[in-house]
Formats: sequence, structure tokens, C-alpha cells
Amino acid sequence: QVQLVESGGGLVKPGGSLRLSCAASGFTFSDYYMSWIRQAPGKGLEWVSYISSSGSTIYYADSVKGRFTISRDNAKNSLYLQMNSLRAEDTAVYYCARIYGEGAFDIWGQGTMVTVSS
Amino acid sequence: EIVMTQSPATLSVSPGERATLSCRASQSVSSNLAWYQQKPGQAPRLLIYGASTRATGIPARFSGSGSGTEFTLTISSLQSEDFAVYYCQQYNNWPLYTFGQGTKLEIK
Repeated sequence: QVQLVESGGGLVKPGGSLRLSCAASGFTFSDYYMSWIRQAPGKGLEWVSYISSSGSTIYYADSVKGRFTISRDNAKNSLYLQMNSLRAEDTAVYYCARIYGEGAFDIWGQGTMVTVSS
Repeated sequence: EIVMTQSPATLSVSPGERATLSCRASQSVSSNLAWYQQKPGQAPRLLIYGASTRATGIPARFSGSGSGTEFTLTISSLQSEDFAVYYCQQYNNWPLYTFGQGTKLEIK
């Protein structure tokens, strides 16, 4: 079945780094745009980053620009988020999501928790 | 940035009754609007896209309407499994997507 599975979350100190992964299955990964979306504890959803199907076009939310890097490996059906210079406000569940059409997120992973704390 | 504002923050409705949730955009998003349902401990689930098209497998009791800046999600006869948090999201300003702050639908 169509599925996204995130991994790589954990506890990290402020200023530290973490790399999230998202493994896709059940669909042709290379045909789809993808995004990362996060949700701080008890809060709403915040779009973080976008990558085109080929990886040639990338966008970031202002809150993570210059610190986070999105990438993909279509041969491995995988999406990544390299997070550097982490702050307490980056604490959240991070979801990868498939983009349907122009921008609805039709498939979501189960999420991976990132906690930034000393 | 397009700001999405949902109302009310919390809606209390009895099972079997109709629920109407609102979403307003700070500028026109045409029909480029989606609705999601999120239950505790779960990822969001796409309900509606294109303002009014139900996603695959979504029951007919869910319907969306509106265009421009004013949108509505209606659940015609609430089932126990419908009590959750609902988010709207615009994708007109692609790919700088923004979500509303959510409406919690609770049992009255």
C-alpha cells in the first residue's frame, strides 16, 4: 500500500544537528513533489520545506531557511531533512507528506519526534 | 504570507447533528484550499481538496464549499469517529503553503 515512514528523530541539544529520513513505498516516488511539515506539541501544522520531483526546485519556510536542507534520492525512494543549528522552537513532530496536484497533501507519514533541549 | 483563520476554535456538537466549520484567507486563494482531519496521536488525513472535492475514501457526509477568501467544511450527520481537530490549508501561494490554526470538534 501507499506509505511514508519517517525516521531519525530524537533528543538533541540546542545548536546540534539531526537528519530525518522518509521512506516511500507503494507509489512511483520520482513522480511526486514532497514536503516536510511539522507540529509543535499541542500546536497546529507548519509547512517547513518543499522539493520538486527531480529535486531541482526547493523552498523553505522563513523559520528554517539557512538551517535546514531538504533533499531526495529517487533511486532509494527516500526524502531527507538535514537540520542544523537546532533551536528549542524546532521541537515538533516532523511529517513527510506527498503533494497531490498543486498542493494538497494526500499521503502523510506517521511522524517522527524531534526534541531540542539541553 | 497568506494567513488562514479558522472559526470557531472549538465547536461542540451532538452526534447526529450537523457541524459547520469556517476558514477565511487573508487574500484570495481561488479554490486552492484543502481540509484535513487529525485525531490525537495520528497524522492528518486529507478530506477535501480544490475546496469541494472529497479525497479518496472520504464519506459523503463531508462536504466543502467556498472560493476566494471564505470556505466552509460541513459534516452533515456527525458520527463518533468525526470528533477531531480540523485544519484548512491554502496552496494558491504554492509552494509557500499555510494552514489555519485548527478547529476542535468535540462532543456536546
